[in-house]
Amino acid sequence: AQKVTQAQTEISVVEKEDVTLDCVYETRDTTYYLFWYKQPPSGELVFLIRRNSFDEQNEISGRYSWNFQKSTSSFNFTITASQVVDSAVYFCALILRNSGNTPLVFGKGTRLSVIA
Amino acid sequence: EPEVTQTPSHQVTQMGQEVILRCVPISNHLYFYWYRQILGQKVEFLVSFYNNEISEKSEIFDDQFSVERPDGSNFTLKIRSTKLEDSAMYFCASSAQQGNEQYFGPGTRLTVT
Repeated sequence: AQKVTQAQTEISVVEKEDVTLDCVYETRDTTYYLFWYKQPPSGELVFLIRRNSFDEQNEISGRYSWNFQKSTSSFNFTITASQVVDSAVYFCALILRNSGNTPLVFGKGTRLSVIA
Repeated sequence: EPEVTQTPSHQVTQMGQEVILRCVPISNHLYFYWYRQILGQKVEFLVSFYNNEISEKSEIFDDQFSVERPDGSNFTLKIRSTKLEDSAMYFCASSAQQGNEQYFGPGTRLTVT
């Protein structure tokens, strides 16, 4: 069975600090996708990134960057120069590839508070 | 930009009543999902749907739940006889291909009293 662990329940940082959100996953399959979603206080789930298990290149998008390491089964998310608008719950998720219409398996989420 | 829509945004119902939550997925998407999130907790999978039939369902999705795609645009979740523990935010999602990113609707907050 698949499992996603986000060990950090809550993180609080001061604006402009960098912050890394950890995600560790478990699966016996070799083909899968990893995701990050953001849930702001308004409650919707916003897609941030999808990563293929075959592609270990790190990705940067503006202030966001993702570090995927298969050797440690981790897919960590870093926000550089955090802003108050980054305050949200962030979910890491996994889905198997080539296994029918399987669902996203979510971690419990990390609540990030950015203080001005 | 295309988006998933859900109605109503908030539904209050009495225990034992039937509710229908409605979703309009993104128009060219083929894979549909329902998830729920009890307040402050993780997002839990309920059911996936493709080609007019259920693909997978979780243990939560018991006989009280059903899904339907009554026409080419709507995707509904019915709870036949609501219980207090059904109170949660219900999210609909859709994706273009299996394994692709799923786009979520804004959710329906269901409150069972």
